[in-house]
Order: sequence, then structure tokens, then C-alpha cells
Amino acid sequence: EPEVTQTPSHQVTQMGQEVILRCVPISNHLYFYWYRQILGQKVEFLVSFYNNEISEKSEIFDDQFSVERPDGSNFTLKIRSTKLEDSAMYFCASLGGGETQYFGPGTRLLVL
Amino acid sequence: DQQVKQNSPSLSVQEGRISILNCDYTNSMFDYFLWYKKYPAEGPTFLISISSIKDKNEDGRFTVFLNKSAKHLSLHIVPSQPGDSAVYFCAASAHSNYQLIWGAGTKLIIKP
Repeated sequence: EPEVTQTPSHQVTQMGQEVILRCVPISNHLYFYWYRQILGQKVEFLVSFYNNEISEKSEIFDDQFSVERPDGSNFTLKIRSTKLEDSAMYFCASLGGGETQYFGPGTRLLVL
Repeated sequence: DQQVKQNSPSLSVQEGRISILNCDYTNSMFDYFLWYKKYPAEGPTFLISISSIKDKNEDGRFTVFLNKSAKHLSLHIVPSQPGDSAVYFCAASAHSNYQLIWGAGTKLIIKP
């Protein structure tokens, strides 16, 4: 069964460093999303991406964040200068022709 | 942001009995509702969904009921099995490919 994959599973970085989180969505899907969950809090929407551009973004998704689909398979989230409060689980999701977003296993980001 | 609420942080149910998880929402623009199951350190796994034009959707042991006038939905699991022990999230969107707004989750514990 097709699934969304994410790498790395864990990332530890120093505050101020750049990180790139990678996702491979389900191959025939057209909509891509990033969400995050800070420990003990709700899952929060960050950004959605369709037709090679951002279609929606939340207040969290400020200038420190960017997304890219550099080739036909990968979908990346870049945080330019990480802050302590960026520590969270980051989930990628994709949606095809239906109405259900399918999620990857997540990347646990720890900013020290 | 309390657009989607799951007021029970946890629920304990005997194996074989019915588990009922509840979710309330405030935004009348929501027209698509989903339930996800999540294990620790994993991504959310889609369980079942319902659109606002229906009041019930069934898939095997899982049934979701939607009461639009009360802005309330519930997930019924019958019979409950030990493998059902997980955190269950209710999520909603105003359109099938829009961002999902999440509840805080309910931890379901199935007792043998």
C-alpha cells in the first residue's frame, strides 16, 4: 500500500542552524501539507502546497520557513534559523483525488 | 484556537465493549470530518471520515456519527480490541483539500 515517507526520523540541531525535513508523498497525489505537534499540544497546520505553489499557510509559517518540491517526488520543509520553540514532531501529509490526507511517520526535531 | 474540541483526555473501555469517542466543533463552515488514530512517535493513521451531507458512515468496526445541528460527531468502535489502544484525533476542514483543524485527542485504553 502506498505510503508517505519522511526523513530523517530524528534531527538534533543547534539553535540558529538551518534544517531541511524531507518527505516523499504518495506518488499520484497532488496536494502536500506540513503539520507539527509540539509535545503535549495539538497538531497544528503549517502550510499546504499545490501546483508548485503555497495554497495556504498559517501564522506559524513565517519567513523562517519555506517549502519546496525540488523534483517529482520530494517535498521539503526548510527552517532557516531554528529556535528552541521549533522543537516538535513535524508531519508531512499528501492528498490525492479524494478527501483524505495521509500522513507520514514524522520527524522529531530537537533544537538545543 | 478551540474550533475542534475533544473534551475527554482519556477513556478506558473493557475489551469487547463499545468505545465511544466524542468531538465538538464550533465552525459551521466545516464540511468534512476525519478520525485519525495515533501511536506514540508515529504519524496519524486515517480511520474513517464523514462529509457534512451525511449523518453516518460505517467501516467495519468503526462508525462515525455526525449531528450538524449540535455540531457534534462521535466515533464508535464495536467491539473494542486491545489493538485499538491509542490516541484518537478528530479533525475537520472547510473543504476537502484545505488544512485540517485538530482536536486535542483522546487516549483510548482497552482493558483485557
